[in-house]
Amino acid sequence: EIVLTQSPGTLSLSPGERATLSCRASQSVSNNYLAWYQRTPGQPPRLLISDAFTRATGVPDRFSGSGSGTDFTLTISRLEPEDFAVYFCQQYGSSPYTFGQGTKLEI
Amino acid sequence: QVQLRESGPGLVKPSETLSLTCTVSGGSISGYYWSWIRQPPGKRLEYIGYIYYLGTTKYNPSLNGRVTISVDRSKNQFSLNVTSVTAADTAIYFCARINGGSFDSWGQGTLIVVSS
Repeated sequence: EIVLTQSPGTLSLSPGERATLSCRASQSVSNNYLAWYQRTPGQPPRLLISDAFTRATGVPDRFSGSGSGTDFTLTISRLEPEDFAVYFCQQYGSSPYTFGQGTKLEI
Repeated sequence: QVQLRESGPGLVKPSETLSLTCTVSGGSISGYYWSWIRQPPGKRLEYIGYIYYLGTTKYNPSLNGRVTISVDRSKNQFSLNVTSVTAADTAIYFCARINGGSFDSWGQGTLIVVSS
């Protein structure tokens, strides 16, 4: 199965700054079938990005996804207070689907 | 907007069967794939398996054949059974809708503890 490794484990930034989160796959993700999710306390995970770069409905355009093959990036251009959360990636190019361990974005 | 809600016992004894139900509201279960995902304490999310609304299933081999997912279209529900549970099955269990491979709607999750 494909192992996804996210870095950094924790990212400390301030509102207004730019965040860059990485997700690296142990082998190439077929068709760049990679998604990003946001998880905040008390809330279900929220889909942000699918197919590596397609924003989900209602997701602000400060969130963007990029990458291909084994290296993928989630960028948040200017952090808002509500963006401080845990972010994780997921691949669905190969069975079984697998998840990264998460990056905590803290103030 | 579709909403999902997990329901289950909270506590299951070792060697018994864990049973959970996911109720879908605000939309039909028809036309989609539906999935179960879990997160053991301190570990990453683990995909358990999925079911198509017509009944086709696929499971993660890591659960060694202990998993069954079923669907009840009349109730707009789908369910998870995990047999012969051990402490390693203690986790938060989520149900989710699959849309093109990613999970576009999730339940809040329910904590299941395996303990005597």
